[in-house]
Amino acid sequence: GENVEQHPSTLSVQEGDSAVIKCTYSDSASNYFPWYKQELGKGPQLIIDIRSNVGEKKDQRIAVTLNKTAKHFSLHITETQPEDSAVYFCAASPYKLSFGAGTTVTVRA
Amino acid sequence: NAGVTQTPKFRVLKTGQSMTLLCAQDMNHEYMYWYRQDPGMGLRLIHYSVGEGTTAKGEVPDGYNVSRLKKQNFLLGLESAAPSQTSVYFCASSYSRGSTDTQYFGPGTRLTVL
Repeated sequence: GENVEQHPSTLSVQEGDSAVIKCTYSDSASNYFPWYKQELGKGPQLIIDIRSNVGEKKDQRIAVTLNKTAKHFSLHITETQPEDSAVYFCAASPYKLSFGAGTTVTVRA
Repeated sequence: NAGVTQTPKFRVLKTGQSMTLLCAQDMNHEYMYWYRQDPGMGLRLIHYSVGEGTTAKGEVPDGYNVSRLKKQNFLLGLESAAPSQTSVYFCASSYSRGSTDTQYFGPGTRLTVL
């Protein structure tokens, strides 16, 4: 099955700086790569996704890049704000979603 | 529109006890899923359903059973709880083509087995 590795496990950034989270996957058949944000005490919520026919996608301060040759994809958050503090999960799917272990992001004021 | 709801929010069980977790969605979604979340391990799929009356095993199905008697409900049962089943359980649903369609998650159930 699909194996997704996510780094780093924790990330602390100064407010206004950028944050980058990287994931690698193993199954070359994976064609869908969503990112989820989980706030304390809540369920994960989709924030952005990318499909295998696209190399980059942006939505305001967040962007995702995909390198299918290297089997890795990344989440970029620019101009971080305190409300960006949360756990972020990447996932990959050839037919069922496999999740990374998560990255706890802390934005320092 | 409540989205995905889960009952209960918290539960403490003793080893060997049984319980059922209820998931309900009001979005008319075909696909429903049960995940467990453990520290440092992300979300792991327990069971899923591709439509009313269907169920299938996920990555970690042992010790759990599920039923989807109605399209809007997906039940997760623990027949004889074990401490290893202490976890946070999330239900999710998606409209169709579960592998590439957005999954909407419920708020979770925190289960402790003593």
